[in-house]
Formats: sequence, structure tokens, C-alpha cells
Amino acid sequence: EADIYQTPRYLVIGTGKKITLECSQTMGHDKMYWYQQDPGMELHLIHYSYGVNSTEKGDLSSESTVSRIRTEHFPLTLESARPSHTSQYLCASRDNSGNTIYFGEGSWLTVV
Amino acid sequence: SQKIEQNSEALNIQEGKTATLTCNYTNYSPAYLQWYRQDPGRGPVFLLLIRENEKEKRKERLKVTFDTTLKQSLFHITASQPADSATYLCAHASGGSYIPTFGRGTSLIVHP
Repeated sequence: EADIYQTPRYLVIGTGKKITLECSQTMGHDKMYWYQQDPGMELHLIHYSYGVNSTEKGDLSSESTVSRIRTEHFPLTLESARPSHTSQYLCASRDNSGNTIYFGEGSWLTVV
Repeated sequence: SQKIEQNSEALNIQEGKTATLTCNYTNYSPAYLQWYRQDPGRGPVFLLLIRENEKEKRKERLKVTFDTTLKQSLFHITASQPADSATYLCAHASGGSYIPTFGRGTSLIVHP
């Protein structure tokens, strides 16, 4: 069982609001990722980190930002939410000694 | 760039039969391929990894093959059960990349 946690699981917010999606893992993994996934669609990488103070943008352009101040914590922030940001956001981390990716349960964001 | 292609049509089979899902990749042979299971509204869960130099990998009722000539991986579930119904994702990472790329996934529906 993976020890990677996301909060909130479900969130409905108004347009223009600022939101932070939290992601924490207790496995000491260096590499962490944020994916965006619409229902029935593929996972799109939006951000990744190779370790503390390392963050990069992924393949899919996103208006969100991330930070990695501590190994275990990789929050994603939307400064001004829009309806187009409505989606599922999945946080993941990678085993340091192997290639297994562990996913959180996801955060479902609805912007109205 | 490398692409992962999976059949977007759902696979419907009868309980007890063997389900076979296909993952095709373009361009160069990835160092390894992974298979994940994703249930509705949940994050993907790692199932199996097969390396470029391995022909076959097994885990309980699961079997994965890797054919570099056909640029294809096959994922088999033997003696399928309704509980096996889910979306199965294929993913790859090549060379020194630590960033996995996912296919769209194939939905498997096992009928009792």
C-alpha cells in the first residue's frame, strides 16, 4: 500500500479563487509528479520534481505552480481558478531504488 | 517523441476467459514498460514492469510480454473475474528519463 496522500479529495470553488492541492508522501521518495486527467482520458504530466528545490514544468501547459521545500511535500497551487481547470489532479512519487510509481487517490477539482 | 498507443475501445469478455490488452509504442524501444490498473475515480496502481531484455513476466494471474520487433507489449489476465474490471494503463520511460509517459488506457469489462 502506497503512503502518498492528497487533500482535498473533492473541491468545488468559484472562479477567481486561489486553491492549493496538497500532496504528501512518507516514503522518502525524491522524485514526485503532478498529472492532470479528465474522465476517460489519458494522464498528462503538468509538473515534476527531482528533489528539494527542484521543480520543472511537464508536457502539458498549466497555469498552476508547484513548490518542493521538503522531500515529503509537493503542493500544487492555482492562483486564480477558472472553469477550464476543472479536472482530476493526481500526485505521484517514484521509488528511489526502482521504477515503480505510486499514485495518490487524486483531487477532483470543479471550478464554477 | 515516443508515443504509447492503447486500444481506446473497451474490451468485454466473459468471466473465466483470458483477457489480452495491447500496448504499442512508436520510435525507439523503451528501457522498460509498466502496466497499471486504474479504478474509476482513483489513482493508478502499479501492477508489473517488464524490461527491454525480458520476453515475459508473470505475477499470479497476470502475464506481460515485450516484443521489440513488433514494438508491442501484451498484458494478459487469465481466469478473469468481474473484480478485474478496470482501466489498464501502459507506461514507459526510456534511457535516463525518470518521467513515465502513460497511454490512454483500455477499459476491461468482465461479465459474470
